[in-house]
Amino acid sequence: GEDVEQSLFLSVREGDSSVINCTYTDSSSTYLYWYKQEPGAGLQLLTYIFSNMDMKQDQRLTVLLNKKDKHLSLRIADTQTGDSAIYFCAEMPLAGSYQLTFGKGTKLSVIP
Amino acid sequence: EAGVAQSPRYKIIEKRQSVAFWCNPISGHATLYWYQQILGQGPKLLIQFQNNGVVDDSQLPKDRFSAERLKGVDSTLKIQPAKLEDSAVYLCASSLGAREVKETQYFGPGTRLLVL
Repeated sequence: GEDVEQSLFLSVREGDSSVINCTYTDSSSTYLYWYKQEPGAGLQLLTYIFSNMDMKQDQRLTVLLNKKDKHLSLRIADTQTGDSAIYFCAEMPLAGSYQLTFGKGTKLSVIP
Repeated sequence: EAGVAQSPRYKIIEKRQSVAFWCNPISGHATLYWYQQILGQGPKLLIQFQNNGVVDDSQLPKDRFSAERLKGVDSTLKIQPAKLEDSAVYLCASSLGAREVKETQYFGPGTRLLVL
């Protein structure tokens, strides 16, 4: 079965880079997602990567995937106070019913 | 393009009462999901619909929870009777359901339920 693990907290200074880490267990082909949740809001899709890719960049966001270690990271360059939120890693195996399994989320706090 | 709509946004009830949540997915999205998010946890799938049929309801506590999507568009999730441990955010999500390689899910703002 799938299991997704994340560290619970991260604190960075404004302007620095943030790196949020995630490990997953599914060994089949899979999509891996990063969602952002601000207080009192739903989940906002940030980016995704397919398990046969190593890296994906989208403006300030860079996703790195280490398939051997099943390790995924999200790097936010030039972190701003508006980036303060909870970030969820999720995986979706391609076999089956296209269901997402989420980690518990990493709370990012940006210090001005 | 309008996103996933949910109502109400907040609900406070006493235990053993009933409550219902409503979701309107993105237009044209065939697949609809209901998730339960307990404080400090990631969302957990309760039920998945493809059009008006249930794909997976294995994690839905069927003794008290029910959901329907009669016309394949809007959906309602009901809890009857509610327990204290049902306090959570109930998130609705939708996706194209075209069985394409990438089935990205888009989430609504959620309904926050507090059971006293």
